[in-house]
Amino acid sequence: EVQLVESGGGLVQPGGSLRLSCAVSGFIFSDHYMDWVRQAPGKGLEWVGRTRNKANSYITEYAASVKGRFTISREASKNSLYLQMNSLKTEDTAVYYCARSESVTGHMDVWGKGTTVTVSS
Amino acid sequence: SYVLTQSPSVSVAPGKTATITCGGNTIGTRSVHWYRQRPGQAPVVVIYYDSGRPSGIPERFSGSNSGNTATLTISRVEAGDEGDYYCQVWDVPSEHVVFGGGTKLTVL
Repeated sequence: EVQLVESGGGLVQPGGSLRLSCAVSGFIFSDHYMDWVRQAPGKGLEWVGRTRNKANSYITEYAASVKGRFTISREASKNSLYLQMNSLKTEDTAVYYCARSESVTGHMDVWGKGTTVTVSS
Repeated sequence: SYVLTQSPSVSVAPGKTATITCGGNTIGTRSVHWYRQRPGQAPVVVIYYDSGRPSGIPERFSGSNSGNTATLTISRVEAGDEGDYYCQVWDVPSEHVVFGGGTKLTVL
């Protein structure tokens, strides 16, 4: 069964750091683009960033709102995707989803259930 | 950066047709995907590449894309169709995924 399971969310103070994980199963991890998408309370979906697949050198792209603060990485041996979040701001409070993308222009065909990050003093 | 515009809400009676639009500059030249999100749940794709329908999505769901508007049409609307619907594209110049602001579908 294709599955994505996020973990690592929690409460963190402004300026702090947190690393989210996304455990992948049921498909060949290296073949797929992977995205992080977040949703602030009561708001819409916001794309955070992406890592391309192995064939495209795992190149990463980021939304302007997180570029320079967030880093996406993969660990193939653990079939895991990560989102390292530094210099967190209150506006980063959101549910964070990892999702599998079908291709560079394609849709996100598998989503995790999300993990909640709260940035507050 | 590329902007997708959706109406905040659409209301429709059961059995009628719901039309949800997504506006963007020359969006007809891009591939548009649509997601439904029910409260407390992750989004689920309901239409991909403008008009493709994933397995498990009823034939009542259809999509089109031309000019500056992409459209998601839900025929014979049911109570279970309620939720927030988002359009999404890949913006080539910025190399960013872009989501519309979302449309809340209410079944009266």
